[in-house]
Amino acid sequence: EPEVTQTPSHQVTQMGQEVILRCVPISNHLYFYWYRQILGQKVEFLVSFYNNEISEKSEIFDDQFSVERPDGSNFTLKIRSTKLEDSAMYFCASSPRARGTDTQYFGPGTRLTVL
Amino acid sequence: SQQGEEDPQALSIQEGENATMNCSYKTSINNLQWYRQNSGRGLVHLILIRSNEREKHSGRLRVTLDTSKKSSSLLITASRAADTASYFCATASGNTPLVFGKGTRLSVIA
Repeated sequence: EPEVTQTPSHQVTQMGQEVILRCVPISNHLYFYWYRQILGQKVEFLVSFYNNEISEKSEIFDDQFSVERPDGSNFTLKIRSTKLEDSAMYFCASSPRARGTDTQYFGPGTRLTVL
Repeated sequence: SQQGEEDPQALSIQEGENATMNCSYKTSINNLQWYRQNSGRGLVHLILIRSNEREKHSGRLRVTLDTSKKSSSLLITASRAADTASYFCATASGNTPLVFGKGTRLSVIA
C-alpha cells in the first residue's frame, strides 16, 4: 500500500541553523501539506501546496519557513533560522483531491530538536 | 474558535471492553476524520465521515456524526492492548485545512 515517507526521522540542530525536512508524498496525489505537533499539544496546520504553489498557510508559517517541490517526487519544508520553539514533530501529508473533502494521508513525522 | 475538541482527555479500560471517545466542534463541516497516533509516531487515518452521513463502520470502529449537535463519537469495540494510543478528531470545513483537537489518550490494560 502506498504511503507518505519522511526523512530524517529525527533531526537535531543548533538554534539559528537552517534545516530541511523532506517528504515523499503518495505518487498520484495532488495536494501536499505540512503540519507540526509540539510535544503534548495539538497537531497544527502549517501550509498546503498545490500545482507548485502555496495554496494556504497559517500564522505559524512565517518568513522563516518555505516549501518546495524540487522534483516530481519530493516535497520539502525549510526553516531558515531555527528557534527553540520550532522543536516539534513535523508531519507531511498528501491527498488525491481538494483538501477538506478528502482523506489526508500522513507520514511518520520528523522530530526536530533545536538546541 | 476551537474545533474538534475531544473528551475525555484520557481513558483507561480493560481489554475486551468498549471505548467511546467524543468530539465536539463549532462550525459547519464537510467531513470529520478520526486519526490514531501511537506514542511519538505518525498519524494513522482511521475513518472519514461526511456531513451527510450519520454512522460509519470499519472493523471494530464505529463513528457517528450528529451535525445538529456538532458532535461525533468514535467507538472501539472489544478493545485490545494494541489499541492503546491517542485518538484525534479533525474537522474539514470548506477550503480550510484540517483542524485537529487535542486528542484522547486511550490506555487498554491487558
